[in-house]
Amino acid sequence: DAGVIQSPRHEVTEMGQEVTLRCKPISGHNSLFWYRQTMMRGLELLIYFNNNVPIDDSGMPEDRFSAKMPNASFSTLKIQPSEPRDSAVYFCASMDSNQPQHFGDGTRLSIL
Amino acid sequence: QKEVEQNSGPLSVPEGAIASLNCTYSDRGSQSFFWYRQYSGKSPELIMFIYSNGDKEDGRFTAQLNKASQYVSLLIRDSQPSDSATYLCAVNGGGGADGLTFGKGTHLIIQP
Repeated sequence: DAGVIQSPRHEVTEMGQEVTLRCKPISGHNSLFWYRQTMMRGLELLIYFNNNVPIDDSGMPEDRFSAKMPNASFSTLKIQPSEPRDSAVYFCASMDSNQPQHFGDGTRLSIL
Repeated sequence: QKEVEQNSGPLSVPEGAIASLNCTYSDRGSQSFFWYRQYSGKSPELIMFIYSNGDKEDGRFTAQLNKASQYVSLLIRDSQPSDSATYLCAVNGGGGADGLTFGKGTHLIIQP
């Protein structure tokens, strides 16, 4: 079975540019999560969706961050405009009802 | 605000010995508890999950939960060098597909 698929694996861009991270959850999973991992703050939940509907976006750091899930097999996390402090590894995870979450390989984002 | 605390380590254990990893959490209403293993540069990988007080064993791994003390632990028996990694404790409020609150992880080193 294919796991959670994230793209790109690495992204390097200049401050002020728009960044779009993509995630394909495991087929049949009805919940999707976006996390960010940094050395200072560890792994933090940004937002999650149940059945394509955003449930809790309280972890989104500011209005520059937005996330969408237009269908059950695709989600995006967008940062516009990007800033150097957004540099981190961004993980997407998915789960089926009441089962543990499974993580994608992550996107390593560097904002110069 | 939900908090999950772990000793950052490093925790150094001789090969073949038992490694004991500990975690405390602040939200008394937490229902589900997870241990993830993360190798450097990789994504978190689920090792164990536990929902009820007591012990749960899976191969060389045992998860222990004490809700009264708000304490979760992971025991690794017959430690192998391949067990060297960062171990993340995660807590879920339960009631369905909620996002996880992670500790910052314990860095475990198994000495050959």
